[in-house]
Amino acid sequence: GQNIDQPTEMTATEGAIVQINCTYQTSGFNGLFWYQQHAGEAPTFLSYNVLDGLEEKGRFSSFLSRSKGYSYLLLKELQMKDSASYLCAHSGYSTLTFGKGTMLLVSP
Amino acid sequence: GAGVSQSPSNKVTEKGKDVELRCDPISGHTALYWYRQSLGQGLEFLIYFQGNSAPDKSGLPSDRFSAERTGGSVSTLTIQRTQQEDSAVYLCASSLEGQGLGNQPQHFGDGTRLSIL
Repeated sequence: GQNIDQPTEMTATEGAIVQINCTYQTSGFNGLFWYQQHAGEAPTFLSYNVLDGLEEKGRFSSFLSRSKGYSYLLLKELQMKDSASYLCAHSGYSTLTFGKGTMLLVSP
Repeated sequence: GAGVSQSPSNKVTEKGKDVELRCDPISGHTALYWYRQSLGQGLEFLIYFQGNSAPDKSGLPSDRFSAERTGGSVSTLTIQRTQQEDSAVYLCASSLEGQGLGNQPQHFGDGTRLSIL
């Protein structure tokens, strides 16, 4: 089967750093995606990892360990606009399986 | 347009009626996906189209749900005899090719918010 677990909610302060973890179990793996979804809006692509290690993209970084079935999204220098749901998804051959998302609330 | 376009943006209908949702993918994207998102839930995969291949219908929850993609572009998702549990946001996404063939991200439309009374 395929399972993805990520925390339901997280809170952080503006300017801080937050790490959102994601663990997954899958019989076929072809990459790990992170998406951001603001309330009432479509998910937007943030990052993709297919090999182990850290991918950095501006304030956002994503890490993958395939052997551990583990990924995290690291957000630095948090801004109020970063308040959103962050969706972890693993890729099989042709489809994505999404977690339920982590709602991040950034406070002043 | 530049992005994935879905219509209508909102649909309210009575239980038992049929509904049709439309998705216009990004030009040149061969892969098209339909998802359902209920309140507080993750995205639930429904169906996937890739080029001229037979669609992957493994996520459709019942035989009341069907989808087609005409001419490799526009897709319609049809729900027959709607039930209250069908109320959700239906999201369409497209990508340059199937995820497994590369690292192409899926680009999502704004969704259709379906409410069954």
